[in-house]
Amino acid sequence: DAGVTQSPTHLIKTRGQQVTLRCSPISGHKSVSWYQQVLGQGPQFIFQYYEKEERGRGNFPDRFSARQFPNYSSELNVNALLLGDSALYLCASSRLAGATDTQYFGPGTRLTVL
Amino acid sequence: QQQVKQSPQSLIVQKGGIPIINCAYENTAFDYFPWYQQFPGKGPALLIAIRPDVSEKKEGRFTISFNKSAKQFSLHIMDSQPGDSATYFCAASMKGGTSYGKLTFGQGTILTVHP
Repeated sequence: DAGVTQSPTHLIKTRGQQVTLRCSPISGHKSVSWYQQVLGQGPQFIFQYYEKEERGRGNFPDRFSARQFPNYSSELNVNALLLGDSALYLCASSRLAGATDTQYFGPGTRLTVL
Repeated sequence: QQQVKQSPQSLIVQKGGIPIINCAYENTAFDYFPWYQQFPGKGPALLIAIRPDVSEKKEGRFTISFNKSAKQFSLHIMDSQPGDSATYFCAASMKGGTSYGKLTFGQGTILTVHP
């Protein structure tokens, strides 16, 4: 079975631009979560979506938004990019949205903001 | 606010050694504690997880020890191998409220196993 896939692999943007990152969950998984991993730190929770509804939001500004589509894939959008948004953005999928449902992570999208 | 504190930041052991990574948490509402392994260029992968009603869990060469009263848990890697060299993260999540499956991660430990 294919794992979680993310696109693009790498992305370079300049300050003030907007970016869209994409994620396809494992087949049969209905929940997608997004995390930001700054170099040298643990992943930080951004959003969780389940059945196309937002179920959780981390401590990130409104410049960050996401959505989940009927096929359970998801997009993360970041507007008005700042240098501090440079990070690895991870998508994780799980069958359900519960606390003990194993989250399977994709390889991430490396975003560099210049 | 960091709710899961992990130590040490880095660890070097010889092949066959038993590296131990420790984590402490503050929020007593946490009730699920997974450990993830991350190789360079890859996303984190689940290694082993524990619930607070169990004091120890073993899966292969990996063991979690859990001390609920001290709000601490640790990962032990038996007979470590060079292939275990990676970054390890502890994490925690809680049921209910608006947290659902949100994972709160520690800062990570870079493990190097020398041949």
